[in-house]
Order: sequence, then C-alpha cells, then structure tokens
Amino acid sequence: EAQVTQNPRYLITVTGKKLTVTCSQNMNHEYMSWYRQDPGLGLRQIYYSMNVEVTDKGDVPEGYKVSRKEKRNFPLILESPSPNQTSLYFCASTPGSGSETQYFGPGTRLLVL
Amino acid sequence: ILNVEQSPQSLHVQEGDSTNFTCSFPSSNFYALHWYRWETAKSPEALFVMTLNGDEKKKGRISATLNTKEGYSYLYIKGSQPEDSATYLCASDDYKLSFGAGTTVTVRA
Repeated sequence: EAQVTQNPRYLITVTGKKLTVTCSQNMNHEYMSWYRQDPGLGLRQIYYSMNVEVTDKGDVPEGYKVSRKEKRNFPLILESPSPNQTSLYFCASTPGSGSETQYFGPGTRLLVL
Repeated sequence: ILNVEQSPQSLHVQEGDSTNFTCSFPSSNFYALHWYRWETAKSPEALFVMTLNGDEKKKGRISATLNTKEGYSYLYIKGSQPEDSATYLCASDDYKLSFGAGTTVTVRA
C-alpha cells in the first residue's frame, strides 16, 4: 500500500531533550516536506527536500533540522525542543515538485513541557 | 508567505442541506489552487487541483469553482451527510503551497 508513515504518533517530552520524528514514504517520491499545524493557522512548511541530500528552509524553520540521506526517509530533528514547538506535525511527499498533490502522513502530536 | 484566507472558520449544517464556503488567495503569480479534506485523527487528503480560470471540478456531492482573476474559489457540498464532517483546507500554489487555516464543517443528523 502506497503510504507515508510517521513515528511516533504522539510524544510528550521536556524542554531541551533532543528528539527525532521519522518520516518514510514508499512511493519513490522526489519531494518531501514537513509542516506544522497550529489552531487558527494553516499548515506551515518547516523544511522541504527536493531530492537526496537537497534540503531547504520553509516558512518556519527555526528550531528544526532535517536530513535526506535516502530517498524514502526525511526525519525531523528538534535539537532542543521548547514549549512553542508543541504542535501537530505532518510529513508529506509528492512525486516531483512541491506544487503537486501532497500525500500526507498520519501526523505526530508533540507536547513539549 | 501568501495570504490565503478561508471563511467561515467553521459552520454547522443540517443533514440533507447544501452549503458552501470560500477560499481567497492573491491572484498574482497564480499557478494552481488545491483543496484538501481533513477528517479528525486522519491525514489531509487531496480533493481537487484547479488551474484554469472558470474551472469547475466535481467529486460525488462535492464540487469546487475557481476564479483566478479575482482570487477566490468556492467549495460546495450538496445534500450534506454526517460523513462530510471534516476540515476543508485550500492551498494556493505559486510553485510553493501556502495553506489557509481551513473551514471546519459539522453536519448534524
């Protein structure tokens, strides 16, 4: 089944404790991205990757890192999480560019205390 | 960052009634307009991608229209059913997606 998977789905952590949210897609998509969803705001792009070893900042990259060492995986890293990073995070992929229909993962709900 | 606005923020509709809501976007540098349906505890799923002024797309009881000159799109739900309850997101595309905050539709049985 074609899908985007994320882990963990739910996470409670404390300020400053490094964490990684994994994202994997099995559709051989070139383009992957991370979004955060906050109440009253649209999905905001954090980082995106157009291909292996090619990553770039989105609209709200501060406090996040990503890597794209393999085509299928695009982990999101929070080196020192803060409470303002409490949010719902979605990973997404598209076959080619960011302008195509996005295939979203199931979401990761993060609470930083 | 594009300024994409959706209204209303939320609405309630009686089962069987029809409804519609709006997505407004900057008309300059327009490439495409995307609609997604997001059910609670699930991932957003693509409904439509529209590119041409005057475009109209339909999927079952849901349809959408596009006006690129004035920068708006309408989404219509005909004969609403409880399973239509969801948040509907639009995203304006100038080779990069910018999402609106969504319209949350609740269909009452």
